[in-house]
Amino acid sequence: NAGVTQTPKFRVLKTGQSMTLLCAQDMNHEYMYWYRQDPGMGLRLIHYSVGEGTTAKGEVPDGYNVSRLKKQNFLLGLESAAPSQTSVYFCASSYRGQVGGEQYFGPGTRLTVT
Amino acid sequence: EDQVTQSPEALRLQEGESSSLNCSYTVSGLRGLFWYRQDPGKGPEFLFTLYSAGEEKEKERLKATLTKKESFLHITAPKPEDSATYLCAVQDPNTGNQFYFGTGTSLTVIP
Repeated sequence: NAGVTQTPKFRVLKTGQSMTLLCAQDMNHEYMYWYRQDPGMGLRLIHYSVGEGTTAKGEVPDGYNVSRLKKQNFLLGLESAAPSQTSVYFCASSYRGQVGGEQYFGPGTRLTVT
Repeated sequence: EDQVTQSPEALRLQEGESSSLNCSYTVSGLRGLFWYRQDPGKGPEFLFTLYSAGEEKEKERLKATLTKKESFLHITAPKPEDSATYLCAVQDPNTGNQFYFGTGTSLTVIP
C-alpha cells in the first residue's frame, strides 16, 4: 500500500496564479482532510470531506476550494494564489472521524507564492 | 482561544535521560486526544489515541497518559532516533470531524 500520496512535492507560484494539489489514498478511508502547517502555528484544517461527493469548511478555508469526486482522491485548489498561502500543505485520511479518528498523513507539498 | 498548548517548545536530552512532554487542552467533553510524531520534511505519523482520564498507552520507549485537562508523553531512556517533533491534537467535541493541533515539542536526543 502506498498510503497517502500527494502531488506535487514542491511548487513555486506567482501571485494571482492558480493551481491544484492532488491527494490520493489507497486505504479505502471515508474521511479526508487538507491542512496547512506554518511555523509557530501548528497544523490548521482548511477543508475536509466525510465521504465521496461531500466537502466542508475547516478552520481556515478562505482562498481555497476542494472537491472529492472519487472516494480515493481529494483535490485542493487555489484560484488566485497570494503570498499568505506560502506554506506546507498536508493531506490526511482516516477510516472514520467520529471515534478512533487517527489520521494518516501524506508527505506534504511545499508551496511558495512570490 | 487556543484549544491545545504544548510545552516545552523544544527539549534536548542526553541519550538515556528520561523526560515528559506536556499537552494541555481546553475543550470540554473530550472525544479523543491524539499524539503524532513528525520527522523533518515528512508528514505526521500517528502514535496514540486516548479517550478518557486515567487511560495510558505504551509503545516502545513512549507512554502516553491522560487527565481531565492534560496529557503527557513520557519518554523513557530515549535514543537519538527518538529525535522528532511530537504533536498533540484533540478532536472537536461537537462534530468530531475537526481536529485542533498544538504547535509541537521539538525533541533532540544527543548521543
